[in-house]
Amino acid sequence: GESVGLHLPTLSVQEGDNSIINCAYSNSASDYFIWYKQESGKGPQFIIDIRSNMDKRQGQRVTVLLNKTVKHLSLQIAATQPGDSAVYFCAENRRDSSYKLIFGSGTRLLVRP
Amino acid sequence: EPEVTQTPSHQVTQMGQEVILRCVPISNHLYFYWYRQILGQKVEFLVSFYNNEISEKSEIFDDQFSVERPDGSNFTLKIRSTKLEDSAMYFCASRVDRGGNQPQHFGDGTRLSIL
Repeated sequence: GESVGLHLPTLSVQEGDNSIINCAYSNSASDYFIWYKQESGKGPQFIIDIRSNMDKRQGQRVTVLLNKTVKHLSLQIAATQPGDSAVYFCAENRRDSSYKLIFGSGTRLLVRP
Repeated sequence: EPEVTQTPSHQVTQMGQEVILRCVPISNHLYFYWYRQILGQKVEFLVSFYNNEISEKSEIFDDQFSVERPDGSNFTLKIRSTKLEDSAMYFCASRVDRGGNQPQHFGDGTRLSIL
């Protein structure tokens, strides 16, 4: 079936280290992917996106990599800070009538001081 | 920076009662969405809305649910007769237009508790 999923439910990193959060998707027709950050009691917050015609996109301290061959996405956070602690979701934006988002199950990032 | 706003932040309702969740999308956005998130689970799509009509709805969005854009700014989700399993966070999102790849922007949600 079609799904967007995450490999690790919880990731614990030392402050200052780099974090890598992974995501697998199964629909090869998907053409747009988004990473969201969700802090406790808040809605998903847009971090970075990538189109399927790209392999890599960089933002401020964040990089998203897309490997279409194995249907895999990753989010890299450089120099992880305590404020990065949150749940991270990848979402697949389906090329259909409404561009609804299909979310993965989320990875909780814990930053150790 | 413009944002999606939702009210109320928390709604407690007796089972069987009607509830209306309200959202003000970002002003120049044309696509509107409702999602829900049951505690500890992933965010699930409910419905999308464009040009004053539903574009797509999920199997969760049954006859008890309806959406409306009563004026130029508000976007509402109504649950006609609430059930215990409707307890969840409900998120509204909006998107600037249909063409191309544009991210959806989310509000901070309404926590709906059905007693």
